[in-house]
Amino acid sequence: EVQLVESGGGLVQPGGSLRLSCATSGFTFTTYWMQWVRQAPGGGLVWVSHINNDGSDTKYADFAKGRFTMSRDNAKNMLYLQMNSLRSEDTAVYYCTRDAAGIEYWGQGTLVTVSS
Amino acid sequence: DAVLTQSPLSLPVTLGQPASISCRSSQSLVHSDGNTYLNWFQQRPGQSPRRLIYKVSNRDSGVPDRFSGSGSGTDFTLKISRVEAEDVAIYYCMQATHWPPYTFGPGTKLEIK
Repeated sequence: EVQLVESGGGLVQPGGSLRLSCATSGFTFTTYWMQWVRQAPGGGLVWVSHINNDGSDTKYADFAKGRFTMSRDNAKNMLYLQMNSLRSEDTAVYYCTRDAAGIEYWGQGTLVTVSS
Repeated sequence: DAVLTQSPLSLPVTLGQPASISCRSSQSLVHSDGNTYLNWFQQRPGQSPRRLIYKVSNRDSGVPDRFSGSGSGTDFTLKISRVEAEDVAIYYCMQATHWPPYTFGPGTKLEIK
């Protein structure tokens, strides 16, 4: 069974940093691209970032460029999202997702709240 | 970016009746590899999204056959043949043809009349 389990969310002040993690299991992690998607409270789904199989290529939404860094540890089957210079508008549930013909599986999400 | 619009945004449906959701793209979603990467997701209250349909019309494993997807180019449709209570959710279309970024429609909220 494919499992994606996010952690690392919480309350952070504007300008602060958080590192989200996603523990994966139930599939061959190195075979898949991975993505982060976020959803603001009561809002829709917004793509955040992409990473390819070996971590050599990453892509970001415009709002994430220069502030967010996505990475993976294929030896540990782990995915990460380092978020710096956080703003109130970054408040959202962040989902770790597996890519196959577009997004396929979703984790349960981790809530990031940016507030003073 | 490929902008996706959905209609209607709110869909009251009587149990056992059919439902249909439209998704339109600002540009053709046919990829240079010949595939059309248009997916449909269901998000029940308090849950993560779940993919129902990939590449326009392919049902994911475990998805009831009352769900079907169709369309081509810029116009796509998700149909539920007979709505059940468990289908109460927000439905999103998403394109993965022109990326980055992947883009989502605004969502259609299905409720029971």
